Formats: sequence, C-alpha cells, structure tokens
Amino acid sequence: AQSVAQPEDQVNVAEGNPLTVKCTYSVSGNPYLFWYVQYPNRGLQFLLKYITGDNLVKGSYGFEAEFNKSQTSFHLKKPSALVSDSALYFCAVRENPEGSQGNLIFGKGTKLSVKP
Amino acid sequence: NAGVMQNPRHLVRRRGQEARLRCSPMKGHSHVYWYRQLPEEGLKFMVYLQKENIIDESGMPKERFSAEFPKEGPSILRIQQVVRGDSAAYFCASSFSGGGNQPQHFGDGTRLSIL
Repeated sequence: AQSVAQPEDQVNVAEGNPLTVKCTYSVSGNPYLFWYVQYPNRGLQFLLKYITGDNLVKGSYGFEAEFNKSQTSFHLKKPSALVSDSALYFCAVRENPEGSQGNLIFGKGTKLSVKP
Repeated sequence: NAGVMQNPRHLVRRRGQEARLRCSPMKGHSHVYWYRQLPEEGLKFMVYLQKENIIDESGMPKERFSAEFPKEGPSILRIQQVVRGDSAAYFCASSFSGGGNQPQHFGDGTRLSIL
C-alpha cells in the first residue's frame, strides 16, 4: 500500500539558515510527489511537485525538493529560511499515478518554526 | 476570487443534527476531492467526485456520510446524525482533470464542531 512518512514532527531553524523538511514514500510504480504548506486556519497551498525529469524540483517562495529514487525520499529544502516560512508542511503522494484518477495520500505533517 | 470556495468556514452542530458542507471548485475544474483533518494529523481522503458522478468513495464512512456534485451548483458533503467524533476540519480540493500530474487546489476548509 502507498504511504508517506514525515519523520520529524517539528523542525526548528534560525532565520537565514538553510532548512530541510524530510519525506519518504512507499508506492508501487512511479511516484507522483507533492509538497503543500498550511498556515493556521487556512487550507493547503501547493508548493511544488515531482512527476518526472530532473530530480531537483523548484517551487514557490524559494522552496525546492530533491527526488531520490534509491532512498525513496523527497525532502523539501530552502537555502535561507524566513520567519514567514513558519507553518505546517505536508508531503503527499498520488495513490494511483499511472491511472487517470487518484486521491492524495498525505504525511502527518511537519511543523516548521523559524526563529529570528 | 477564482480559488476553491468552502462554506461555512465554521459550523457548530449538536449531536444528532445534520451538517452540510459546501464546496465550489476553481473555475474550469470539474474534479472535486473531500478530505478530513483531525487535530495534529494529516489529511485523510474521503471521496472523489466528478460532475454528477462519485468516482471513489473508499475513504467515506459507510454510514451517515454522503457526497454529491450536481450538474449545477457546489459539491455537498452531508453528515447525518452527527456525533462528537465528527468534529474535524473538512477540506475540499479541486483539479482541472483527474490525471496524476495535476496538483489539487484546496479551499480554506470548514471547521465542524459538535456539541
């Protein structure tokens, strides 16, 4: 069965430092992977996706993610964190990537806290 | 506002009442997904609909929950005879197509509280 794991409940980073939010996945076939961010009392905002091609995917707000097939990982990264990046981050995998339909399977989320 | 619109944002019901949650997808989107988020947890898939059709309801509880997406109007998630355990945030998402590479765009959710 497809699954997503975010091993860290919380990540603390100082402003200006690089940040990494980890995600590993388990899926049969080729994975379609997504990162979303959620601010308090809001819905999820799409950041970036990996479908195929380059392993390094660039997304919104300076975020990027690196797909590593051998490690089945899709870690979210940013070279220099901002206080405004503090939010809840979700990794997701498409359940049926090869088909014409399929819901998203989400990790439990990682709370990112960026301190000034 | 061309985004996914959900209403109401907050809904309070007493045990045994019915809850109706509405979702208008982004303009041009005909695929709608409903998810439930419990505190401190990720989103759990409930149901996937296209216009007038339920495509996948594998995440829906077998009783009391139903969903529709009529030809005209918003998608509705209906919960009958609500219980305390139904308290959660319910999110709707839409996409242009059901293809695997299409991101889903989310509304701000309806926070359901059961007294």
